[in-house]
Amino acid sequence: DSGVTQTPKHLITATGQRVTLRCSPRSGDLSVYWYQQSLDQGLQFLIQYYNGEERAKGNILERFSAQQFPDLHSELNLSSLELGDSALYFCASSVDAITDTQYFGPGTRLTVL
Amino acid sequence: AQSVTQPDIHITVSEGASLELRCNYSYGATPYLFWYVQSPGQGLQLLLKYFSGDTLVQGIKGFEAEFKRSQSSFNLRKPSVHWSDAAEYFCAVGVSDDKIIFGKGTRLHILP
Repeated sequence: DSGVTQTPKHLITATGQRVTLRCSPRSGDLSVYWYQQSLDQGLQFLIQYYNGEERAKGNILERFSAQQFPDLHSELNLSSLELGDSALYFCASSVDAITDTQYFGPGTRLTVL
Repeated sequence: AQSVTQPDIHITVSEGASLELRCNYSYGATPYLFWYVQSPGQGLQLLLKYFSGDTLVQGIKGFEAEFKRSQSSFNLRKPSVHWSDAAEYFCAVGVSDDKIIFGKGTRLHILP
């Protein structure tokens, strides 16, 4: 158990819909990272937040957005969903910077029908 | 552009045999390098990381990796694999703006 929790574990929805994925980091970790893992694209870094502020941005679509709240939990919002958004979405947390060990949550599997 | 290449999609080794998983990266500056393991249905777990200093890095579960700047490589090794090592292994490079780029992964199969 990494100490990072993600809800829900599974999500099935339809094209055009909007969903929210939630992540609670390990106690004491200020950084949260979001990743997308799919068969086509592999593991892709989406975005990083540090103590409530966006710090780094990767291959995140404009339809996707994230935020980190004062209690440090984070949410990833996916809107206007397409079939190709079906993937496993991971959250990871670390103390601070990229040099710190990232601890991954178990992931949320999103299926868009 | 920064990239990570893991040339082997699948590797099969016998239990007790030695293992080497290859990783090559493309990045202009000194990279931060990582190896992660993902067991079926699980999230990723960090095996080891390299930032500077000794180019031979020891990790968890008996793994080690060697950074070779001249070859832009960071290969993962284990002297004797166990059935529980069957998993997918990802090499990753951290770049200056706090992004991490992952390779496509190598799936390791263990023969009894």
